Amino acid sequence: KQEVTQIPAALSVPEGENLVLNCSFTDSAIYNLQWFRQDPGKGLTSLLLIQSSQREQTSGRLNASLDKSSGRSTLYIAASQPGDSATYLCAVHSGGGADGLTFGKGTHLIIQP
Amino acid sequence: EAQVTQNPRYLITVTGKKLTVTCSQNMNHEYMSWYRQDPGLGLRQIYYSMNVEVTDKGDVPEGYKVSRKEKRNFPLILESPSPNQTSLYFCASSLVLPRVTDTQYFGPGTRLTVL
Repeated sequence: KQEVTQIPAALSVPEGENLVLNCSFTDSAIYNLQWFRQDPGKGLTSLLLIQSSQREQTSGRLNASLDKSSGRSTLYIAASQPGDSATYLCAVHSGGGADGLTFGKGTHLIIQP
Repeated sequence: EAQVTQNPRYLITVTGKKLTVTCSQNMNHEYMSWYRQDPGLGLRQIYYSMNVEVTDKGDVPEGYKVSRKEKRNFPLILESPSPNQTSLYFCASSLVLPRVTDTQYFGPGTRLTVL
């Protein structure tokens, strides 16, 4: 059964720093991997989706990489801002149509002004 | 605006009183699903639906029912809620799974407390 682990569970950094969030998964047979952002009282917002054949995806200050063979992904946030404060979730889609996403427990990120 | 809506957003109820949480999407998505989120456990799938009249169990289906009579709606039914169903619930939809390019869109969540 697929398991997704996110490290660290919480992170607090000063504004302007570059940072890396880590995600690992146990079964490399995935269709894709997604990074989500969750804000209190709001739903999940998809940030980046990496297909299994891709190595990375970029959106603005965000860059996500995927190393499927080693079961790892990283989310790189450049020049962090207080508005980046949120919980970041990593999820993998392993199933052939039936299965849902398997989520990590998230990294709670605080950017200090 | 493309979105997934859930109602109610907050609900406090008592053990055994049947309730329904509605979910609706306006993107003509075929795939819809329900997740619950609990501290220390993350998000876990409850039920999913590949299309109208097609539903199946996810990882934690016990105590829940769903129906998919229309493409846009996917209500979650708790026939006899219990305190262990106190949780944050999310509805999600996507065009089709397992297309590798699909992104799942999530609703804003329903916070349910069962006393």
